[in-house]
Amino acid sequence: GNSVTQMEGPVTLSEEAFLTINCTYTATGYPSLFWYVQYPGEGLQLLLKATKADDKGSNKGFEATYRKETTSFHLEKGSVQVSDSAVYFCALSDQGGAGGTSYGKLTFGQGTILTVHP
Amino acid sequence: DTGVSQDPRHKITKRGQNVTFRCDPISEHNRLYWYRQTLGQGPEFLTYFQNEAQLEKSRLLSDRFSAERPKGSFSTLEIQRTEQGDSAMYLCASSFRGGKLFFGSGTQLSVL
Repeated sequence: GNSVTQMEGPVTLSEEAFLTINCTYTATGYPSLFWYVQYPGEGLQLLLKATKADDKGSNKGFEATYRKETTSFHLEKGSVQVSDSAVYFCALSDQGGAGGTSYGKLTFGQGTILTVHP
Repeated sequence: DTGVSQDPRHKITKRGQNVTFRCDPISEHNRLYWYRQTLGQGPEFLTYFQNEAQLEKSRLLSDRFSAERPKGSFSTLEIQRTEQGDSAMYLCASSFRGGKLFFGSGTQLSVL
């Protein structure tokens, strides 16, 4: 079956440091890949996505590139801010099912807690 | 657009009791999903609806769990004869035609 593995956290950085959160996946077919973020007290929000190999998703200074050859989708940001402190989840979609293509049936990694200090 | 709302935010119950959660999706979103998240883990897919039809159920959804979406609007998730292992955050999400997923803040269930 599908699975997603994220680097273990928590990750603690100083403001303006470079961030990398590793994510690797196992899937049949050609999944779409996502990063979701959960800020304290809020629901999960889509941060970025990539739907095919070599695509780069980007949003709010975060980037991730779909690497089929290494089955990876690492999240990066060049300069983190205190406001980036949150839990980050890597996920992939199951493209099958009776409803056809869907970005809603997701397999998530275990999440990585990021804390950024001033 | 008021977002996906879930009720209640917190539920404490005794083992063996039945509980029901409600999810109100974003209006006009035809797909609705339920996930379960335990501490330190990512959300796990439970089931999803397209309009009023329940199209897929995970093997995680034992026969003690039942979900409905009458009239294709709000949805309820009922757990019968709760067990301590059911303690988790239950998340609801909705989308329009399988596009971007919007999550609610969840219902935290504690089974004593």
